Amino acid sequence: GESVGLHLPTLSVQEGDNSIINCAYSNSASDYFIWYKQESGKGPQFIIDIRSNMDKRQGQRVTVLLNKTVKHLSLQIAATQPGDSAVYFCAEKVEGYSTLTFGKGTMLLVSP
Amino acid sequence: NAGVTQTPKFQVLKTGQSMTLQCAQDMNHEYMSWYRQDPGMGLRLIHYSVGAGITDQGEVPNGYNVSRSTTEDFPLRLLSAAPSQTSVYFCASSSRETQYFGPGTRLLVL
Repeated sequence: GESVGLHLPTLSVQEGDNSIINCAYSNSASDYFIWYKQESGKGPQFIIDIRSNMDKRQGQRVTVLLNKTVKHLSLQIAATQPGDSAVYFCAEKVEGYSTLTFGKGTMLLVSP
Repeated sequence: NAGVTQTPKFQVLKTGQSMTLQCAQDMNHEYMSWYRQDPGMGLRLIHYSVGAGITDQGEVPNGYNVSRSTTEDFPLRLLSAAPSQTSVYFCASSSRETQYFGPGTRLLVL
């Protein structure tokens, strides 16, 4: 289930389940979106991106969905593994040279 | 190709001390940036640069200085460290879109 912890929202799943992590973005002018994975003690790692002219993009075991109408982004992870346990951040920007704005993150805990 | 490198990995400072966090990238990226990350919060932009000789302030620039004399290097300077600057600092670089992050520097200011 999903719960709001002291610091970060946390999603706890069983190994093999599909995980869905949600993000509400703030700027209606944003046209480029990225999902990052951050493991404990490491820097954020690029997972997948999507431009605003798309509503879905698939990678290896991951899918990003974009709903511009409600400014919502989601990351779906298929067959979640313990190695997927990390904090996941969404980020938005206007395409080209501009700054990224990050969400506060969601912690994904995968139990064997 | 080392990507984005940061030094040191960990640093303890006393209030009022100065130090420079180093960041280097070997991807010939024009855009570089510094973020800080505090518990329960996302990454907040401190300063960024769109090319050598060009820098600009981000969301939380106070207490930090930057310069960009080369494409490869983007150091972050704390002139007089304060306990509020205890954080994890990440440097990132990008061409036009995806930003790639370094491993971070953990800074503790006593």
